[in-house]
Amino acid sequence: DIQMTQSPSSLSASVGDRVTVTCRASQSISSLLNWYQQKPGKGPKLLIYGASSLPSGVPPRFSGSGSGTDFTLTISSLQPEDFATYYCQQGYSSPFTFGGGTKVEIK
Amino acid sequence: QVQLVQSGAEVKKPGASVKVSCKASGYTFTSNAMHWVRQAPGQRPEWMGWINVGNGNTKYSQKFQGRVTISWDTSASTAYMELRSLRSEDTAVYYCARGGSTTTWDFDYWGQGTLVTVSS
Repeated sequence: DIQMTQSPSSLSASVGDRVTVTCRASQSISSLLNWYQQKPGKGPKLLIYGASSLPSGVPPRFSGSGSGTDFTLTISSLQPEDFATYYCQQGYSSPFTFGGGTKVEIK
Repeated sequence: QVQLVQSGAEVKKPGASVKVSCKASGYTFTSNAMHWVRQAPGQRPEWMGWINVGNGNTKYSQKFQGRVTISWDTSASTAYMELRSLRSEDTAVYYCARGGSTTTWDFDYWGQGTLVTVSS
C-alpha cells in the first residue's frame, strides 16, 4: 500500500496568514493527489483534485501543486471558515490511502 | 444539487453484522461510482471499497476482503455497505462518497456519515 505522510500534523495561524501543508507519498503517484477539508462532525469536502485542479465552488485562495512524491496545499489568505483539518489522498492505486491530517487552528 | 443521505447510527455487539445505506439524489445514479470510507475516532479516513453502479463490479481493500459487501439498488438510487464479524476496532463513522474522476480517483461528494459502535 502507498503510505501518505502529511506535515505538520497541526499548526496555528491567524486570519490573513498564508498557510502551507505538505504531503509526501511513499512512491511516485504522478499527479494523482487529492485534498480534502474536514470540519468537526462533518464528512470531508473535496478541495483539490489531480494535485492542482479546483472543483467548482472552491475559493481560489486554495491552491495545490506538486507531482511524483511531494505535494503542497496552500491557502493564500486564511479565512475564519478555513479552520479545519486537511487530508491528502492518493488516487494512484487501490487501496486509496489518506494522509494523517493537518489541523489548522486559530492563533 | 447532489446529496447522499445515509441511514442512522447503529450499535452492534461483537460478531454481529451491520448494513449501512446511502441514498443518492441530484444526479444520474449510474453515472458515478460509489465508494465507502470509514474514520475511527481521531484517525485518518480509511478507504474500504467501491462499486461501479453502472455494472455492479466491486473492488475491496484487502483489509476488509471477506468481511465487506458493497451492493446497490438502481431503482432506489441507493448503495449499501455490509460489514460482518464486527469487532470493537470497527467502531467508526462510515461514509459513502461519490466517485468523481476515474483518472484522479477523487471523492467529490460525501454522505453525512453513519456512526457504528461495536460494544458488548
